[in-house]
Formats: sequence, structure tokens, C-alpha cells
Amino acid sequence: QQQVKQSPQSLIVQKGGISIINCAYENTAFDYFPWYQQFPGKGPALLIAIRPDVSEKKEGRFTISFNKSAKQFSLHIMDSQPGDSATYFCAASGEEYGNKLVFGAGTILRVKS
Amino acid sequence: DVKVTQSSRYLVKRTGEKVFLECVQDMDHENMFWYRQDPGLGLRLIYFSYDVKMKEKGDIPEGYSVSREKKERFSLILESASTNQTSMYLCASSSPDFYNSPLHFGNGTRLTVT
Repeated sequence: QQQVKQSPQSLIVQKGGISIINCAYENTAFDYFPWYQQFPGKGPALLIAIRPDVSEKKEGRFTISFNKSAKQFSLHIMDSQPGDSATYFCAASGEEYGNKLVFGAGTILRVKS
Repeated sequence: DVKVTQSSRYLVKRTGEKVFLECVQDMDHENMFWYRQDPGLGLRLIYFSYDVKMKEKGDIPEGYSVSREKKERFSLILESASTNQTSMYLCASSSPDFYNSPLHFGNGTRLTVT
């Protein structure tokens, strides 16, 4: 049972374009939604995270949009660069889950120069 | 910077062998985790530990066990390796301040069981 559904599986974007990755969750007890970025040969690293008390969080070119009623959240990468080419994982958790994150299946992003 | 070090980058083992994957972190983190990464399945939690000698099962613990004798070290054990355990294994650590402390991952061990 996949608690966090992520799409698309892969994405190709032209340099300068906008990359959009979507995630949906079922459990309304989730209250922490991070995105992790993984480069080839490396472990994932936290990119940006949001709590449900806000609908949007922006850090540089990266923005999380959060829709609590729809139980969806998305990552937008503005002005995508070849250096953004990586695998992106959304995740979710909440207090009842302790310190455990439930991850989505991942999106392989390739930014063409 | 937090450093999580996994002892092997690549490992090839035979079916039925006992396999040890070692992980060490240098930030005095209470929490440590073992994940398995497979294409199309994301990261799935195998086991985690909140403290020395404490362990809890994650989502896919079957065929695995863990050991945490020291705070900085968390070992994953495959009692009898099988081909369906061929995968990338990722260790992570974090502090108990869940909302403000991200998971810090090692670079992974790619295990092949033949």
C-alpha cells in the first residue's frame, strides 16, 4: 500500500523551463512534507520542506505548493538548470509516525541544455 | 557537516551467505535508519533505532535484522541472503527534533546477491 503517490516517474525539461513534480497522500494525520534530492552515486539530501499551516514555501528556484483539502503537494523548479538533473523524492510524516518518513516512488528529472 | 559513512560502496554475495552492512555517523544522532531503494518503489524503511540497543521494524523487515551496540553505529544483517535482496541500501541518521532535523543519508551500498 503506497501511502504517498508521486508522479511522473520521469521528466525531461528544457533548460530554463519549469519542472513540476506532484505527490498525493491519503493519511490526514501527515503534517510534514519534505522533498529530497538525490544525485547519482549519492544519498538523498533534504531540499525543502513544508508544514500544512502554509500553502506555499519558496527557497530560491524551488517552491512547494500544498493543497490540504486535496491532499496534494508539488515541487516546482523554476528556471531549471542541467545541474538540477537528479532524482526527486517527496515524503510525508506526522507525529503518530514518530521520526519515520514515508517516501514516494521518485521522479528522475533530466534538464536538457 | 554531518557525515554518514557506509562501509562498502559495492558488495557481491552468494545466495545463503550472511551479510553485514555497516553504517557510522559522526553527529551523535539518536535516530538511525536503514532504507532500501529500488527503481519505481522509492525508499522503503527496513528498520530504525531510537537509541542504543533499541530497534523497531519498518515496512519491510522480513529477512533482515539490525544491531545497535554503540550510538554511532547501526548494522544491517541479512541472515541468509537471497536474490530478491539485491538492491541499494541506504543508511540515515537524524536528531529527535523531527520537524527541524532532516535525515542525513550515506551514499549507499549496492548489494548484488547471485
